[in-house]
Order: sequence, then C-alpha cells, then structure tokens
Amino acid sequence: NAGVTQTPKFRVLKTGQSMTLLCAQDMNHEYMYWYRQDPGMGLRLIHYSVGEGTTAKGEVPDGYNVSRLKKQNFLLGLESAAPSQTSVYFCASNFLATTSTDTQYFGPGTRLTVL
Amino acid sequence: RKEVEQDPGPFNVPEGATVAFNCTYSNSASQSFFWYRQDCRKEPKLLMSVYSSGNEDGRFTAQLNRASQYISLLIRDSKLSDSATYLCVVNRRGGTGGFKTIFGAGTRLFVKA
Repeated sequence: NAGVTQTPKFRVLKTGQSMTLLCAQDMNHEYMYWYRQDPGMGLRLIHYSVGEGTTAKGEVPDGYNVSRLKKQNFLLGLESAAPSQTSVYFCASNFLATTSTDTQYFGPGTRLTVL
Repeated sequence: RKEVEQDPGPFNVPEGATVAFNCTYSNSASQSFFWYRQDCRKEPKLLMSVYSSGNEDGRFTAQLNRASQYISLLIRDSKLSDSATYLCVVNRRGGTGGFKTIFGAGTRLFVKA
C-alpha cells in the first residue's frame, strides 16, 4: 500500500515550457487535491476533484489545469510555466468528505523551479 | 485576515522545555480541528485531532475552545526530534455541501540540545 505518490520529485523548467505532474493514490479515495506551498504562505488549494471525471477550482487556479480520468490519478498541468509558479506542489486525498472528521493524506511533494 | 491564524514563530527552545502553539479560526461554522506536523522538505502528516474535551497523546496535549474559536497544542519535555513545522487545520462546510479544509501557515519549532 503506497498511499499517495507523486511524480516527478523535482523539476526545473524554463519560462514558457509545459509539464504535467502526476498524483496517484491506492486508497480508493474519492476526493483528491492539488496544493502549492510557498514560504510564509502555507498550503494553498489549486484545484480539487470530488470524483472520477470531475474537477473544481480552488483558491489559486490560474495558470493550472487538471484532469481526473481515473479515480486513482489526478494530473496537474502547467501549460506555460512562469517564475511565479516556482513552488512545492503537494497532492492529497481523502474519502468522500461528507464527514467533518475526515483528514487528508499527502504525497511527498514535487519541487518545481521555473527559470 | 486569514481564516486560520497561527503564531508566526519560529520557536527556539531547549530540550526538555514545554512549548505551546496557538491557533485561532474566524469561521464559526468550523466543525473539526487538527494539528499536522511537517518535517523540513517533507509532506504534512496528521499529528492529532482536537476535541472540545481536550485530548492527550503522550507528551502532546491538544485543546479546543469553541467559544473563543481557539485551538492549542502543548508539547511537554520537548525532544530534538520534535523540531518541525506545526500546522493548525480546520474542516468546515464548503459551498458544494462537502467539507473544506483550511490550513494555517504553520509555526516552525527548533529544539536545541
């Protein structure tokens, strides 16, 4: 049982390049999330998904797109990377979030630098 | 003003000290409360849930005051291995009928020998 995994772990991009971050979970969780974490800012929600085939915007969605074609995978895309997207990206998941006590499980993170 | 606010820190304490983390939340619809721990360059992990009656797990004690919208975490007899960032986390109803999770910015703790 691997939990939540993310690939790649590190990436350096040039401004304008594109890339996709992959998140996978093997816990049969319905909900999945993408966050970014910057110094002093805490975790900020980019996009989330409440189930296969559904996505929704979070707090800071601009410049990112997501897809959830399979329940276990949640992809985060950057179409044209900008230096402001330099950050650590975390994926998380949990069961159907209809109980307030449900907590999130995080992946190990992807460190992205945009030059 | 952020919905969940924590002491900015960092806290620098000697081994064996008692350290207290404070957190306030502004949305009275908040329903569940947690403390997460995040080690340097690692992902956040659940440390403990916080209940109105207060709860203890070894050297860690968490308390909730709903009237004051205040959450605390106390670490007694701190160890070098307690050095980490502690995140205050709140679940509340979201617009779609599910729950939203709001993370505080975290308070960094350094425990020195």
